[in-house]
Amino acid sequence: GAGVSQTPSNKVTEKGKYVELRCDPISGHTALYWYRQSLGQGPEFLIYFQGTGAADDSGLPNDRFFAVRPEGSVSTLKIQRTERGDSAVYLCASSSSGPVYGYTFGSGTRLTVV
Amino acid sequence: KQEVTQIPAALSVPEGENLVLNCSFTDSAIYNLQWFRQDPGKGLTSLLLIQSSQREQTSGRLNASLDKSSGRSTLYIAASQPGDSATYLCAVHTGNQFYFGTGTSLTVIP
Repeated sequence: GAGVSQTPSNKVTEKGKYVELRCDPISGHTALYWYRQSLGQGPEFLIYFQGTGAADDSGLPNDRFFAVRPEGSVSTLKIQRTERGDSAVYLCASSSSGPVYGYTFGSGTRLTVV
Repeated sequence: KQEVTQIPAALSVPEGENLVLNCSFTDSAIYNLQWFRQDPGKGLTSLLLIQSSQREQTSGRLNASLDKSSGRSTLYIAASQPGDSATYLCAVHTGNQFYFGTGTSLTVIP
C-alpha cells in the first residue's frame, strides 16, 4: 500500500482481556517495528522484525506482550491479560532493509484499558 | 544506552519568526537521525533524514544539521506559520532501533 496502515485506530478494552493490534506495512518493506507512546512521551521501542523473524524483541515489557509476522508482511501485536498501564498509542513503522533508511510510521492504535 | 534530549520542551513564537529546535544524544555511534512532526492524536510524519556521514538536510523552510562528534542536531524552521504548530520529535538510529526524545511542542501564534 501507499503507507503504513494500522487497525483499529482506537480500541477500548476491559482490564484482563486479550487484544490484537494489526499493522500492514508499506509493500516491499522488509523491516517492521512496533513502538509504544505514552502521553507526553516519545515513542519507546518494543520489537523489530526483519522479514518473518523477530530480530530484536528487547523492548517488550513482559511476557504478556507478543508479536508475530508470519508471512513477512502484516504484523500483529498481541497483549494478554491487559492492564490499565498498557493504555498508550501503539505505533508501527516500516523501512526498507538496512540502517541507512528512515522509518515510515502508521497513524497508530490508541489502546485504552478500563 | 542511547539517550536523546530535546530542548526546549515547549516553544511559543509569533508568526513569521525563524526558530531553532535542539536535539542532543549521548552515543555518537549512529546510523542516522530523523526529525518527525506529530499533530495531536496523530502518528508521526517524517520531515528530514540525515545520514551519519552528512552534515545537513534541507526541505523547503526546514533545515536540519547534524554534528555527530558532539552529539547534537538542530532543526531550523524559517518564517514560521500557524500550520507549523505541532510536536517535533528527534530520533536517533542506533543498533536495531530509533531512540526518541520527548519532543518540543511548538505553537505559532497568528
